[in-house]
Amino acid sequence: TQLLEQSPQFLSIQEGENLTVYCNSSSVFSSLQWYRQEPGEGPVLLVTVVTGGEVKKLKRLTFQFGDARKDSSLHITAAQPGDTGLYLCAGPSGGSYIPTFGRGTSLIVHP
Amino acid sequence: SQTIHQWPATLVQPVGSPLSLECTVEGTSNPNLYWYRQAAGRGLQLLFYSVGIGQISSEVPQNLSASRPQDRQFILSSKKLLLSDSGFYLCAWGTGLAGKETQYFGPGTRLLVL
Repeated sequence: TQLLEQSPQFLSIQEGENLTVYCNSSSVFSSLQWYRQEPGEGPVLLVTVVTGGEVKKLKRLTFQFGDARKDSSLHITAAQPGDTGLYLCAGPSGGSYIPTFGRGTSLIVHP
Repeated sequence: SQTIHQWPATLVQPVGSPLSLECTVEGTSNPNLYWYRQAAGRGLQLLFYSVGIGQISSEVPQNLSASRPQDRQFILSSKKLLLSDSGFYLCAWGTGLAGKETQYFGPGTRLLVL
């Protein structure tokens, strides 16, 4: 059983479309991180959310942390081919400081 | 600024041969260090983590071992590789802030065992 469930697993869209991907858990997280990973490279940190209900924006990307700190979403506006990659959420839960990772959402944006 | 290096970038090894992958971090001191394996571009499996020199914790029993001979050096090893050891190996360092651990990843090593 995955502690962090990400959905959808795969997403294939056209350039210019909007999309939202989700990261859900039954556990409370003190913080959540979102990463983007391109093929053959290591994940790159996009954002960390800490406060329940927090919203952070990074250009066309909007990240939201649920009020109860059990879930998070990533919304991309007007997707571009450069947004293509694997989006991973991660966070430490319980008494451990070690982050646990979701399996990711694989996004392809077609020109 | 902090940087993390991994080498080699790609490695092809025969079954039964030894393995040594190296990871070094610059620009920070006493980081938490991690080794992950990723299969088929999805899912990060935590293999080992270290909170200090000589301190190694193993998450999954396997054919691999890790060592931390210096503060900012983390090594992944095997005495005899198996076919199932093939994969993409990622090293990461963490800030060590309780409850807010954020990890920064290296570029990875792609290992193919034949």
